Amino acid sequence: QVQLQESGPGLVKPSQTLSLTCSVSGGSISGGAYYWSWIRQHPGKGLEWIGYVYYSGSTDSNPSLKSRITISADTSKNEFSLRLSSVTAADTAVYYCTRGSQPGWLGVWGQGTLVTVSS
Amino acid sequence: DIQMTQSPSSLSASVGDRVTITCRASQSIKTYLSWYQQKPGKAPKLLIYTVSTLQSGVPSRFSGSGSATDFTLTISSLQPEDFATYYCQQSYITPFTFGPGTKVDF
Repeated sequence: QVQLQESGPGLVKPSQTLSLTCSVSGGSISGGAYYWSWIRQHPGKGLEWIGYVYYSGSTDSNPSLKSRITISADTSKNEFSLRLSSVTAADTAVYYCTRGSQPGWLGVWGQGTLVTVSS
Repeated sequence: DIQMTQSPSSLSASVGDRVTITCRASQSIKTYLSWYQQKPGKAPKLLIYTVSTLQSGVPSRFSGSGSATDFTLTISSLQPEDFATYYCQQSYITPFTFGPGTKVDF
């Protein structure tokens, strides 16, 4: 069965770019009509949809973050990525990568990775 | 953005209780409604999608109902492993949005 694993720096300085990668195992990122999404959860808070990349390469993202977000997929490495620029303390959160067969269906989740924005 | 609200924000229950959580959308989302369960320190888990379809492996004591703007998650007989926080989510229009969560504890 497919498994997802987030990786990236746990600490990012303000104004820098947060970069996370989601490695996919047990299945091909281009092997089916799936949506590969990023979700975040601020400490002790609820869930926020960041955006997705479709297996075809098309993307969509949250307008509240759109100007700062890049979501992409690397089929050769079987992974997809999130880049969030100009981060502030408000971007401190646990970031999850997910997979779904429909845009908003988040059926498979990674374990999550905490990213702290601090100098 | 579509706003999702949930009630109650928390509830205390006992094993064997029937538990009902309500979710409301700020506009019609047809049947694009999912429910997730999250335990402390863990990733959320998809329980139900399209209002009432159980994700594979989810026990049948979980059920969902509703349409348009008003939805319900019911746990027919609460089990010890069901103590968690539950979130509803709309996937009708981006940005997909979640409710604030309902914490179910003792």
